[in-house]
Amino acid sequence: EAGVAQSPRYKIIEKRQSVAFWCNPISGHATLYWYQQILGQGPKLLIQFQNNGVVDDSQLPKDRFSAERLKGVDSTLKIQPAKLEDSAVYLCASSPRPVVEVVGDTQYFGPGTRLTVL
Amino acid sequence: GQNIDQPTEMTATEGAIVQINCTYQTSGFNGLFWYQQHAGEAPTFLSYNVLDGLEEKGRFSSFLSRSKGYSYLLLKELQMKDSASYLCAVTDSNYQLIWGAGTKLIIKP
Repeated sequence: EAGVAQSPRYKIIEKRQSVAFWCNPISGHATLYWYQQILGQGPKLLIQFQNNGVVDDSQLPKDRFSAERLKGVDSTLKIQPAKLEDSAVYLCASSPRPVVEVVGDTQYFGPGTRLTVL
Repeated sequence: GQNIDQPTEMTATEGAIVQINCTYQTSGFNGLFWYQQHAGEAPTFLSYNVLDGLEEKGRFSSFLSRSKGYSYLLLKELQMKDSASYLCAVTDSNYQLIWGAGTKLIIKP
């Protein structure tokens, strides 16, 4: 099966500019995640969707970041305006089940978008 | 607060065995994952533990002790391609995945 697709792979912008990232999860996966990963750190969850509803966006800087998941499939993450500290890799992941159960719902990651803010 | 601790970096020799430890303090526990992440690539799933004990999968094994809040990933017969970061992540009581910062493993010939 096809994996999680993300685009673009790389993006360089100047501070105060806007940028958008796109993610297409694995077909049929109910849950979609956006992570921010700064070099040398673990992924930080920005937002989690179950189908097209938001489950958790507690760590999303809502003054500049926004995300949507249209029709419960593709998702976009936008930053407006960007700051220097937004330089990171933005990872999209999807998992099959609506709710993580005790069995363990593996997350499948896309290749990520490496954002550099100058 | 929720916290996951892993060593920042480890070095091992090709063909040897290495153990990467992970300790966690989270609000509830619903399983622990290990992911592998090569430089510049996305994390890929290695193992999942929800019950105490050892799970073996080829050259990789993962151990869990819930009472101690402790896990380790054991890599045997190390190969150069095992050079990567290894991320420990715990599912808390709200089924949210809490990630460690990762352990960078360097394999030397």
